[in-house]
Amino acid sequence: KNEVEQSPQNLTAQEGEFITINCSYSVGISALHWLQQHPGGGIVSLFMLSSGKKKHGRLIATINIQEKHSSLHITASHPRDSAVYICAVRGDYGGSQGNLIFGKGTKLSVKP
Amino acid sequence: NAGVTQTPKFRILKIGQSMTLQCTQDMNHNYMYWYRQDPGMGLKLIYYSVGAGITDKGEVPNGYNVSRSTTEDFPLRLELAAPSQTSVYFCASSYTRLAGGFTDTQYFGPGTRLTVL
Repeated sequence: KNEVEQSPQNLTAQEGEFITINCSYSVGISALHWLQQHPGGGIVSLFMLSSGKKKHGRLIATINIQEKHSSLHITASHPRDSAVYICAVRGDYGGSQGNLIFGKGTKLSVKP
Repeated sequence: NAGVTQTPKFRILKIGQSMTLQCTQDMNHNYMYWYRQDPGMGLKLIYYSVGAGITDKGEVPNGYNVSRSTTEDFPLRLELAAPSQTSVYFCASSYTRLAGGFTDTQYFGPGTRLTVL
């Protein structure tokens, strides 16, 4: 079983729809990252969170540490949101050890 | 700032050849990373560095070597290229104030698409 599971794998939405992408993980973590990979391949970090909720523009990320689950929401989706969204966790090993474990990504396509 | 730059963008190697993937960042970040991304798979860490002169293995280091002689540069060396090394390679950097890296925003380069035939 993968340590980081994302769902759905693929998502097609109409412009304006509210979108939710889920990430579940099986290890204790000290941080969770959401990243966006553009169709051209470039990767941009969207959020890093260890508790609660963060918001940036139309993007909202939440995390429930007890349930080992995070969600990325996109409000009023737009075709330019079409991308692969990647969840990654940093295991809670203590000290300077550990590295990011990545999910396989969710491919989002927003149709006009 | 240019951010994180990588060269080359594309490269085709023959089995057994060697090459160096270049990575440079101009943000004075202390941490730098090399990842590979295979089709349908999550990114995997190859090597990382917490500062000049200090490197450590990630999840998939076999077949690769790194060095970090300056804060800015973190080249990745492939010796004796194999078809299994066909992948897209990403370099990234972050600024980490405290011990316990990988908890800060990482900035990625544009990637190098490598094919080994």
